[in-house]
Amino acid sequence: IAGITQAPTSQILAAGRRMTLRCTQDMRHNAMYWYRQDLGLGLRLIHYSNTAGTTGKGEVPDGYSVSRANTDDFPLTLASAVPSQTSVYFCASSMGEATEAFFGQGTRLTVV
Amino acid sequence: GEDVEQSLFLSVREGDSSVINCTYTDSSSTYLYWYKQEPGAGLQLLTYIFSNMDMKQDQRLTVLLNKKDKHLSLRIADTQTGDSAIYFCAESNQAGTALIFGKGTTLSVSS
Repeated sequence: IAGITQAPTSQILAAGRRMTLRCTQDMRHNAMYWYRQDLGLGLRLIHYSNTAGTTGKGEVPDGYSVSRANTDDFPLTLASAVPSQTSVYFCASSMGEATEAFFGQGTRLTVV
Repeated sequence: GEDVEQSLFLSVREGDSSVINCTYTDSSSTYLYWYKQEPGAGLQLLTYIFSNMDMKQDQRLTVLLNKKDKHLSLRIADTQTGDSAIYFCAESNQAGTALIFGKGTTLSVSS
């Protein structure tokens, strides 16, 4: 079934550790996004990529990095996790920039 | 700056109509969207409206857009318990690079 796959589904991580959240889509969408969802704050954009080879910063990029080596994959890396990065992370993709976005099922990350 | 505002909670009885409201700041968005999030799941597109339309109806869903007031609403007719979820409105950010979302309205439907 076509769509977006995120891994892992959930993770408990010690503070200071490095972690990469994986995201793969098979819809050949040009644009991909990472959002974090926190209670009372809704979804906030972390990073985005409008096409393979390019990335941009969203509203809350600090502490996160991304890469877009190909169309399908858009990993999100936390170089040194902190408790404030405890959140649910959603990857999304769209055919064009800022158009209808399709979401993965999310990764629940707890940093302790 | 750009912002999307929604009321946080709405409680209705089964069979009633639900109206979820949203205001936005950036009027350059070509489309405005409503997404639904069920517990433990990702967001799913529910419906959308083209910015030059005033209304769109899709079965039990009616979307109203008032561009002058930058107000978007979603009406759900004959609300069912299965409609209980968080509803997000979304529009394009000013740079046109991504969607920005409201904080979400939690709809609770009681039988």
